Amino acid sequence: SQTIHQWPATLVQPVGSPLSLECTVEGTSNPNLYWYRQAAGRGLQLLFYSVGIGQISSEVPQNLSASRPQDRQFILSSKKLLLSDSGFYLCAWSQQGKGPQHFGDGTRLSIL
Amino acid sequence: EDKVVQSPLSLVVHEGDTVTLNCSYEVTNFRSLLWYKQEKKAPTFLFMLTSSGIEKKSGRLSSILDKKELFSILNITATQTGDSAVYLCALYNNNDMRFGAGTRLTVKP
Repeated sequence: SQTIHQWPATLVQPVGSPLSLECTVEGTSNPNLYWYRQAAGRGLQLLFYSVGIGQISSEVPQNLSASRPQDRQFILSSKKLLLSDSGFYLCAWSQQGKGPQHFGDGTRLSIL
Repeated sequence: EDKVVQSPLSLVVHEGDTVTLNCSYEVTNFRSLLWYKQEKKAPTFLFMLTSSGIEKKSGRLSSILDKKELFSILNITATQTGDSAVYLCALYNNNDMRFGAGTRLTVKP
């Protein structure tokens, strides 16, 4: 069966510091991969998605970036974090071209 | 901009009650409507609805989509404390998922 792992579970970072969140999927090949952010009391906002290695589409302009160096690895990065980057970040995967998406346990990011 | 609106925003019921959660949308084109349950961390998939008028059922949960009136409902019968969660509705079109803000359901013993 397929599993998705995200780490770390929680992270506290100072403003201006860099960020790297990692997500890996097991038990499937060539998945679609997604990064979402969820602000407190709000729905999920799609940040990036990828349909293959090195292919990244961005949904909203921001100071975050994403990379997919391997088929089942998706990384969310920032060179300099802002206070507004605080939130709950979720990674998800789906079969190519088909829903539903399946989510990891998320990373709760606090910027001080 | 496509909108997905869930109501109510929050709901408190007692064990054994039946609840109906609503999801309405203003979308020009989509493939499916999905429901998720989010407790503390990862949203877990409940239903994917593609066709109008066909009810999907899983135990005490059921859901239906009305493409003419542009809404979906999620019903939970005989609620239990374990049903307490945020229920999310989302519209799916290719690689785009648009989520509503969710309904926070609290089931009291």
